[in-house]
Amino acid sequence: QKEVEQNSGPLSVPEGAIASLNCTYSDRGSQSFFWYRQYSGKSPELIMFIYSNGDKEDGRFTAQLNKASQYVSLLIRDSQPSDSATYLCAVGDSNYQLIWGAGTKLIIKP
Amino acid sequence: GAVVSQHPSWVICKSGTSVKIECRSLDFQATTMFWYRQFPKQSLMLMATSNEGSKATYEQGVEKDKFLINHASLTLSTLTVTSAHPEDSSFYICSARDLTQQVNSYGYTFGSGTRLTVV
Repeated sequence: QKEVEQNSGPLSVPEGAIASLNCTYSDRGSQSFFWYRQYSGKSPELIMFIYSNGDKEDGRFTAQLNKASQYVSLLIRDSQPSDSATYLCAVGDSNYQLIWGAGTKLIIKP
Repeated sequence: GAVVSQHPSWVICKSGTSVKIECRSLDFQATTMFWYRQFPKQSLMLMATSNEGSKATYEQGVEKDKFLINHASLTLSTLTVTSAHPEDSSFYICSARDLTQQVNSYGYTFGSGTRLTVV
């Protein structure tokens, strides 16, 4: 059974601070890793994806992947109230199927 | 970029009636469409995968006779909730793969979702 684990939160972070979201996965054969943001009542939107070990930066967002530890994280720098949402981690296999985590609710406090 | 249009965005229906949800890929051919259900404060649950011109593959525990999926063309897939009951009230989301984009991000694009309320 392929699994993706996330802390459900809520994770509360002061505005301007760094928010750190974590995700672990069970399938060592996983190929690709995705972070989606979902606002309440809306569908998920892709924030970042990462394939290789290490860091990938895009604006205020940094995805970090450690395949040996089966761990992927998302850092949000200079957190804004508009970043308050549920962040879903998804892991893709070689068949392009996505396995979803339950999501972490992030609250940015002004 | 790839766009998936989902309609209706919300619907209220009476118990026992059927509701149809449509998803259209506007600028790409969606050979595969995924249908998800999401209950409040829970994650996405894959219900079924449909491929154009063939029968849908349903996940374990999903009643295929209750959730009818049709994927008759490369740009349209429909989900019909038959004989809806209050426990079917949920947020239904479709997702399609744009194969021309899969190298970069698996090519998944989501519809805007349908909030179904059965009264």
